[in-house]
Amino acid sequence: NAGVTQTPKFRILKIGQSMTLQCTQDMNHNYMYWYRQDPGMGLKLIYYSVGAGITDKGEVPNGYNVSRSTTEDFPLRLELAAPSQTSVYFCASRGGASSSGANVLTFGAGSRLTVL
Amino acid sequence: QKEVEQNSGPLSVPEGAIASLNCTYSDRGSQSFFWYRQYSGKSPELIMSIYSNGDKEDGRFTAQLNKASQYVSLLIRDSQPSDSATYLCAVTDNDMRFGAGTRLTVKP
Repeated sequence: NAGVTQTPKFRILKIGQSMTLQCTQDMNHNYMYWYRQDPGMGLKLIYYSVGAGITDKGEVPNGYNVSRSTTEDFPLRLELAAPSQTSVYFCASRGGASSSGANVLTFGAGSRLTVL
Repeated sequence: QKEVEQNSGPLSVPEGAIASLNCTYSDRGSQSFFWYRQYSGKSPELIMSIYSNGDKEDGRFTAQLNKASQYVSLLIRDSQPSDSATYLCAVTDNDMRFGAGTRLTVKP
């Protein structure tokens, strides 16, 4: 009954380093999302996926990459980390897009990333 | 560009009062609308979902949707200090976009 699991919870990176934030869900959800949340701000959509093998850009995709090789996993890759990428990152998933309970997002606990 | 905008905060109301939160969206193709609550340092949690024009009530919460005006709101009746949090409006088709949030403080 894990839901959405994100790792790591905390990470400090140096400028120019790369890393991958992992996201796994065990609910067989088709839709998965990555958001970033800067202090005092709302959630900004980075990338999303409507199923394995399909990804699309959100509002703020620059500096990030994603892949969706399986239904369960949706990793977010940061290449050449910059201080502007310091943020809290949330992964989320939902079962579908229709007007039903499956439409509701389930969030992971978040990953706090600091780039120095 | 799909936009979701919320009324600027912060919003402060006394305990027992009605808190009113507003949200507008730009994409007329949006089908589903949500209100999430987020406590500091925590993940967002669902308060209400609404899909059809009109009102939807759940306990002390009422969501209102007007697709013609591209407007969705949340009313919190009998506000409690435990309602103090940031409230996020979300609008979706396949993507799911959030507003900037309105920080609500309920004073005892």
